[in-house]
Amino acid sequence: GAVVSQHPSRVICKSGTSVKIECRSLDFQATTMFWYRQFPKQSLMLMATSNEGSKATYEQGVEKDKFLINHASLTLSTLTVTSAHPEDSSFYICSARVRRQASSYNSPLHFGNGTRLTVT
Amino acid sequence: QKEVEQDPGPLSVPEGAIVSLNCTYSNSAFQYFMWYRQYSRKGPELLMYTYSSGNKEDGRFTAQVDKSSKYISLFIRDSQPSDSATYLCAMTAGNNRKLIWGLGTSLAVNP
Repeated sequence: GAVVSQHPSRVICKSGTSVKIECRSLDFQATTMFWYRQFPKQSLMLMATSNEGSKATYEQGVEKDKFLINHASLTLSTLTVTSAHPEDSSFYICSARVRRQASSYNSPLHFGNGTRLTVT
Repeated sequence: QKEVEQDPGPLSVPEGAIVSLNCTYSNSAFQYFMWYRQYSRKGPELLMYTYSSGNKEDGRFTAQVDKSSKYISLFIRDSQPSDSATYLCAMTAGNNRKLIWGLGTSLAVNP
C-alpha cells in the first residue's frame, strides 16, 4: 500500500516553456502532498506543501509564481514550472502522507519516483 | 551547525558485511525518525520509521535511536549488492512539523 505515482519520469523542454508534473496517490487519500527538489549528490529540499482545496504553502526562497501548485482532489497534486530556464533543471519529487482517521501529521512520507527535468 | 549531520560517504563494503549508517542531530525536540533508501534516479523509499528511543527490526534492517546522545543508526545485516543505494535519514518533532533530512550516505555493496 501507500503508492505514490509521479508522471512524467523525464522531461526535456526548451527555455521559456512550461512543464506540468503530476503526483497521484494510488491507493490512499492525501490531504497534503509535498514537493521536493533534489540536486545531484544533495539531500531533498522542500519547495512547498500542497493542501487539497486550498493554496499551497511555499518555503522561503521558492517563487510561487514560477512553481504553480494545484491540489484539486484528495489523490492528485500538480506542479507546473512556468517559463522554465536551464537553472530549473533538477530532480523534482512529490510525496504524501497516508490520511488516517486520526491525525496523519506524524505518519511517514511516501514518495513518487521523481521527475528529471532538463531545460535546454 | 546543521540540524542533522550525516556522512555522505561513499561507503564500500563486501557482500555479506554488516553495514552501519548513522546520523546525529542537534534538536532535542525530534521524536520521529525515518530511514529512506534511494536508488539512482528514483524517489526515496521508506525503510524504517521509529518513534522516540529504542530499536526496531525488520528483516535484515535494524534501526536504533538514542535520544540521550542524539544519535540514530541503521544496521544492514548480510548486505547484498541490491542494497547499493543512498540512505537518507530524516526526522521531525511531529505535529505537522517539517521533516529535516540528512545529506544521505552512498553505499556500495560489492559482490
